[in-house]
Amino acid sequence: GESVGLHLPTLSVQEGDNSIINCAYSNSASDYFIWYKQESGKGPQFIIDIRSNMDKRQGQRVTVLLNKTVKHLSLQIAATQPGDSAVYFCAEKSSGYSTLTFGKGTMLLVSP
Amino acid sequence: DAGITQSPRHKVTETGTPVTLRCHQTENHRYMYWYRQDPGHGLRLIHYSYGVKDTDKGEVSDGYSVSRSKTEDFLLTLESATSSQTSVYFCAISERSGSLSPSYEQYFGPGTRLTVT
Repeated sequence: GESVGLHLPTLSVQEGDNSIINCAYSNSASDYFIWYKQESGKGPQFIIDIRSNMDKRQGQRVTVLLNKTVKHLSLQIAATQPGDSAVYFCAEKSSGYSTLTFGKGTMLLVSP
Repeated sequence: DAGITQSPRHKVTETGTPVTLRCHQTENHRYMYWYRQDPGHGLRLIHYSYGVKDTDKGEVSDGYSVSRSKTEDFLLTLESATSSQTSVYFCAISERSGSLSPSYEQYFGPGTRLTVT
């Protein structure tokens, strides 16, 4: 079957580089944001999340930045490895709701 | 996704036949969700459940129904499958029951690839 990775914007980096994946959102009422990684043939895997009362949150090798002024979210991956190759999705939750709305994703390709 | 299983993992069926997909969790999470994933569309919510026998529609609910008779299981039924329902279907769960504060991160199952011919 056709891969979910087709038709997606692609970011190609070299192993060891830092990667930045961007996501724009439109709902100013969104109060929670989350990043997922999806490898081919697998379900999405939680990476990191951030609430709207924060600008930055760090995890292991990953950092999420939130700019509410321009409704922009980014995921930074330090020292990118071939195992980081996957499709990355952002998702947002609107205040007062419990469901997530997902972006279409970005494919990250890491060359050795 | 060790605590979330989906069955079947692959299914091919003919137009007009009924199909039921099962999601089973062992995590005691309150919320369960069904999504479909198609190239160019990302993940789209079909239906979700916020408790036993409590369900609500998502963005693309037409042609689908759900049932949740116990915490662990959430069933997605296509009453009469159509070719437009060919997709990969994912189940997700969130918010462990008894949590003191709401948590919104969702954990996904491995997916079911459904082909309607």
